[in-house]
Amino acid sequence: SQQGEEDPQALSIQEGENATMNCSYKTSINNLQWYRQNSGRGLVHLILIRSNEREKHSGRLRVTLDTSKKSSSLLITASRAADTASYFCATDPSSGTYKYIFGTGTRLKVLA
Amino acid sequence: GAGVSQSPSNKVTEKGKDVELRCDPISGHTALYWYRQRLGQGLEFLIYFQGNSAPDKSGLPSDRFSAERTGESVSTLTIQRTQQEDSAVYLCASSLAEGYEQYFGPGTRLTVT
Repeated sequence: SQQGEEDPQALSIQEGENATMNCSYKTSINNLQWYRQNSGRGLVHLILIRSNEREKHSGRLRVTLDTSKKSSSLLITASRAADTASYFCATDPSSGTYKYIFGTGTRLKVLA
Repeated sequence: GAGVSQSPSNKVTEKGKDVELRCDPISGHTALYWYRQRLGQGLEFLIYFQGNSAPDKSGLPSDRFSAERTGESVSTLTIQRTQQEDSAVYLCASSLAEGYEQYFGPGTRLTVT
């Protein structure tokens, strides 16, 4: 499996519910980023969390990072139909390069 | 200000032809990345440039692929002798520096017939 794998691959929830997506990676990292992609707006950066941080918030988004487990989670609270998109995590291995590795993404569908 | 722009937005080419894709990053961004995204897949790293340093070309899938960047501005990705498996969306992103958030362009959809 590759660096930066998200699970689940697909998630369908009702509007107003919370959505949780997970990302696992293999090597040590400098930081981990979450991106959203929908057909209308392309790829948009959501949040960046550095390896020395454990949790970050941005509006309805909450990201956690557990470097001991090499995993991160993205929580979207009170989901809206507009949150329907694919969500990707991206990691940059702390090996002297900033070559970002993206996972295959979680496809989130929020039903109105 | 203006975001990352890419041209063309769509390109249809015949197998065996060369294509050139262009990326205009956000002014002042020293890092520039190229990715490939096949239908329904994640992003595949191709190459990145940081300032005047030698680019990291480790993601280029074959010697048919090459990229250049002029200083800290425009970049071009060239694919020679295109093959059908090159069909994908090619995305460019720039960031203020290494390790910062990336701003993506809308992509170039390449179709090789």
